[in-house]
This record gives sequence, structure tokens and C-alpha cells, in this order.
Amino acid sequence: GQNIDQPTEMTATEGAIVQINCTYQTSGFNGLFWYQQHAGEAPTFLSYNVLDGLEEKGRFSSFLSRSKGYSYLLLKELQMKDSASYLCAVRDQSGGSYIPTFGRGTSLIVHP
Amino acid sequence: GAVVSQHPSRVICKSGTSVKIECRSLDFQATTMFWYRQFPKQSLMLMATSNEGSKATYEQGVEKDKFLINHASLTLSTLTVTSAHPEDSSFYICSARDRLAGAEWVTKNIQYFGAGTRLSVL
Repeated sequence: GQNIDQPTEMTATEGAIVQINCTYQTSGFNGLFWYQQHAGEAPTFLSYNVLDGLEEKGRFSSFLSRSKGYSYLLLKELQMKDSASYLCAVRDQSGGSYIPTFGRGTSLIVHP
Repeated sequence: GAVVSQHPSRVICKSGTSVKIECRSLDFQATTMFWYRQFPKQSLMLMATSNEGSKATYEQGVEKDKFLINHASLTLSTLTVTSAHPEDSSFYICSARDRLAGAEWVTKNIQYFGAGTRLSVL
């Protein structure tokens, strides 16, 4: 299985930039996902990385280093609506299941 | 993006009753659907993987007789919580994986989530 670690909580100011880190340990890495989840709602897909490097999508970017077992989600120009939990999920190809395992999530609080 | 519809969004029931939750993929076919359970401020815990036309695969510690899963078509999976008790109160979320042909399915096999069902057992 995977061992996924991300900070429990982060705070940031509206308009600023925040980086949410995720480290993982897995034997058969096959992709890393970031999801956003607002309280009481289902997660929504943000990004997917399978190769090393940075994937940029608007205000959100995600980075992956497979050799270091490390990823981060970068949020720019923070808005109040970005206050949510951000889930890092790692997919493992062991056993052929290709089912992602989710981290505990990082609760981001954006204040004025 | 792909849309997954989950119904109902909230259920309040008495202890001992059974509750059925539906999960539908609206604009794509999903040979595989997943059922998760999430407690407050906790991560998503996979309960079972549901494959169309076959029996569901349950994760360790999940009672298959307690949580009945039926995946009768490529667009519908149901989870029935039988004889619900207060400890079953939780947020249940389904997700579906788009069926893609060839090697693309591995690289583009993104899960899309339903809106979740909040179950409260009194």
C-alpha cells in the first residue's frame, strides 16, 4: 500500500500564493492526483501527474518528483473560495487494481 | 467534465432500517465504480470496488453482508446499508471511472465523484 503524508492545516492570505506538499511511499507508482473538497461536498478533480515536472492549469499548478516521492500543489492569487480541503491521492499499479489511495487532506483557510 | 449523480444527498433514518444509495454516471460509461466512506476531518476510505456485471470487491474490514453493492449496468451502482445503526452514520461518496479503450485508460483514468450522501442513523 501507500503511505501518504500531507500537512493537516494551512492558513494563507487572500491574493497570496500557497504551496501544499505531499510525500508518499509506494512500490508501484502510477500517478498522483490532487482533489479539492469543500466541507460536506464530494471531491472535485484538480490535477494529475504521472511524469516528473510541473503541470499548470490556471491558478493551480502541480509538481511531481517520482525519485523523491514528492508532490506539491501550488495555488496562486488565492481567493476566499479556495478555502477547502486538498486531497493528495496516489495510484498504485500493484496487483493491477490501479485504485488511488487518499491522504488525510490539508485544510486550507484563506483569510482576508 | 464527467458528471456523477448520487442520490439521496441526505438520509435520516431509524436504527434497524435499510438505506439505499444510488450512483449514476450521466454522460459516460463506467465499468468500475467505487464506494467511499468519510468521517469528519478524515480521509476517504475505500469500502469496495464495484464492477459492472460481477460481484463487488470489498476492502478488508468492510462487511459485505452489511453493505450490499449492486452494479447492474454501465451507468448505475447502488449501495444498500442494511440494518443501519448509529455507528454507520457517515458521509458516503461514490465515484466512477470512465471506460477508455486501449492503453489510454491507465494514463487518463480519472475518478469523478458524486456529491455524497450524508447518512444519520438515530
